Amino acid sequence: DAGVIQSPRHEVTEMGQEVTLRCKPISGHNSLFWYRQTMMRGLELLIYFNNNVPIDDSGMPEDRFSAKMPNASFSTLKIQPSEPRDSAVYFCASSLEGNEKLFFGSGTQLSVL
Amino acid sequence: AQTVTQSQPEMSVQEAETVTLSCTYDTSESNYYLFWYKQPPSRQMILVIRQEAYKQQNATENRFSVNFQKAAKSFSLKISDSQLGDTAMYFCAFRYNFNKFYFGSGTKLNVKP
Repeated sequence: DAGVIQSPRHEVTEMGQEVTLRCKPISGHNSLFWYRQTMMRGLELLIYFNNNVPIDDSGMPEDRFSAKMPNASFSTLKIQPSEPRDSAVYFCASSLEGNEKLFFGSGTQLSVL
Repeated sequence: AQTVTQSQPEMSVQEAETVTLSCTYDTSESNYYLFWYKQPPSRQMILVIRQEAYKQQNATENRFSVNFQKAAKSFSLKISDSQLGDTAMYFCAFRYNFNKFYFGSGTKLNVKP
C-alpha cells in the first residue's frame, strides 16, 4: 500500500502566480479531504469529497481557492492568484466509507513570496 | 457544532517517565470516534490510537493508552516510558457519521534525555 501521495513536497512561488497541489488517495478509498495547517490556525478543513463529489467546501477561504476530483484516484487544489498569506502546509487525506480512520499524505509546504 | 479543545499548548517530560495529554470535546452526537494523531518534525501525520464512543473499555496501543470519560467528554492520552522519538505535536480528533474530522489545536510534547 503506497499510502496517500502528494506532490510537490515543497513549492516556492511568487505572489500572483497560480499554484496547483496534487493528491493521489489510497486505492479504494472514496473520501478525500484537503487540510491546511498553519501555526496560527492549526489544521483547517478546506474541502472534502465523497465518491468524487464535493460534499463540504465551507472551509475554502475564498474564490482564489478551487479543488477538483476528476476521478477516484486524483485530486487537485488550485490557488489562483496566490498570496503570501496562503503560505502553509497543505495536507491531503483519504478514508474508506464505513471505516473511521483517516490517512494523511506527507503534505506540501507552500511558500508564497 | 463539534469542537475539540486541547488546553496544553506545550509539555515536557523526561525520558522513561509518563506523561498525560488532555483533550475535551463538545458534541450532541452519541456515536462517534476519537483519535490521537502524532506529527513529528518530519511533518507526517501518524495515527497513534483510536477509541469508539460506544466502547467503555479504554483503548491501548503498546505504550499509549487513553482515558475516555464519555459523560465528561474527555479523552486524554497517556504515554508510558516516554522515548525521545515521542517528541512531536499531538492532535486530538473527533469524527462522527463517517463525516469530516474535527481537530484540536495540538500539544507540543518535548521528551528530554
